[in-house]
Order: sequence, then C-alpha cells, then structure tokens
Amino acid sequence: AQKVTQAQTEISVVEKEDVTLDCVYETRDTTYYLFWYKQPPSGELVFLIRRNSFDEQNEISGRYSWNFQKSTSSFNFTITASQVVDSAVYFCALSDPDQTGANNLFFGTGTRLTVIP
Amino acid sequence: ETGVTQTPRHLVMGMTNKKSLKCEQHLGHNAMYWYKQSAKKPLELMFVYNFKEQTENNSVPSRFSPECPNSSHLFLHLHTLQPEDSALYLCASSRGTGAPSTLNSGNTIYFGEGSWLTVV
Repeated sequence: AQKVTQAQTEISVVEKEDVTLDCVYETRDTTYYLFWYKQPPSGELVFLIRRNSFDEQNEISGRYSWNFQKSTSSFNFTITASQVVDSAVYFCALSDPDQTGANNLFFGTGTRLTVIP
Repeated sequence: ETGVTQTPRHLVMGMTNKKSLKCEQHLGHNAMYWYKQSAKKPLELMFVYNFKEQTENNSVPSRFSPECPNSSHLFLHLHTLQPEDSALYLCASSRGTGAPSTLNSGNTIYFGEGSWLTVV
C-alpha cells in the first residue's frame, strides 16, 4: 500500500537559518512520482516540485533543494536561508500510476513551518 | 493569482441544508478533482473527472454529489451532511490524468484555495 510519512509535525526556525523537511514514502511499485506542495494560510496548495522514481538527481531551485534517496525511500526538502514568507504547511505526496492512477496523490500529514523574524 | 478559483471560500450549513461548492479553472485543463482536507488527517482524493466524465469515486458517501458540466467547471453538491464532514474542500485541475511527463509540466495538479466548510 502507498503511504507518505512526514514525521515532523511542526518546526520553528529563526529567519536565515536552513531547515530540512523530511518525507519518507512506501510503495510497492518501481514507477512512481513524488511531489512537494506548500500550503500558506490562504489554503491553496502551491505546487513546488515533482520527481519520478527513475530520476534520483537532486534538484535545486533558488533557496529550495530536494534530496531524493531511493535507498532510504526519502524525498527531503531543504530551504536555505529561510524567510518569514516560507511559513506555511508543507506536504509531501506520492502518486503510483500502476496501482491507483498517476494523479491519485497520497499526501503526508504535512509539516507546519514557522519562520521567526 | 491562482488558475483555479473556488466559491464560496467559507460556508456554514446545518445538517438538513442543501448547498453547493463551485470550482472553476482557467488553465485550459481537462481533468478536475475534489480533495478533502480534515484536521490532522492527510488530504484525501474524493472524485476525479476527465473530459467531464467521472473516472474515480474514492468511496465517497452519497451525501456528496459531484457535477462536472464542462471541463472548466466542477461542483460539489452537499446534502444532509454530518458535523464530521467539516473540512477544507480543495478543487484541483490538471492537463490530463496520465503520468506526469519529465519533459514538461505535464499532468501536474494545480489546486485552488479551498472552501472551508463547517457543518453545525
């Protein structure tokens, strides 16, 4: 069965600190997709990144970086030099095309990040 | 500004009321979704529509009735809800329902801001 675990319920950091949000996933399939979404207080889920299971290259986008490790079934997200605007709930998600459909996303319970000025 | 808009943003309804949530996407997508976000629970997929046809119903109780008149609009009709149905209901859309391409944004799902529903 598919499962996404975000063990960190809440994290608080001081502005300009780096912070890593953990995500561990479970799936029986070899083809799957992993996602990170940001949910600010307004409620909208903002798409951040999608990776497929065959591409383990780490990715950097500005202050954001993602570390995909198939050996540990993890897809961690790091924010460098955090800013107050980064305060939000961050969700990791998994989709499993062969089992439940490419766009049936299984979400973790989210990590609430608070960046203190 | 989001390409997926939802109305109303907040709704309070009694258990005997009938109300509807509306979603409109301005992205030219063909697939639309309803997700439910309850407190302290993972987001749950409720329904999927592709080219106006329902392709997935994730064992949702019949008191939730979706309607998709065209690829740009999606409704969720609510009838005789329970207090435990209080949640944030998120609409989403994507170009299609196939596997996301690695070459472009493909079928990535884009979400609206949600409708906060309280059942009293």
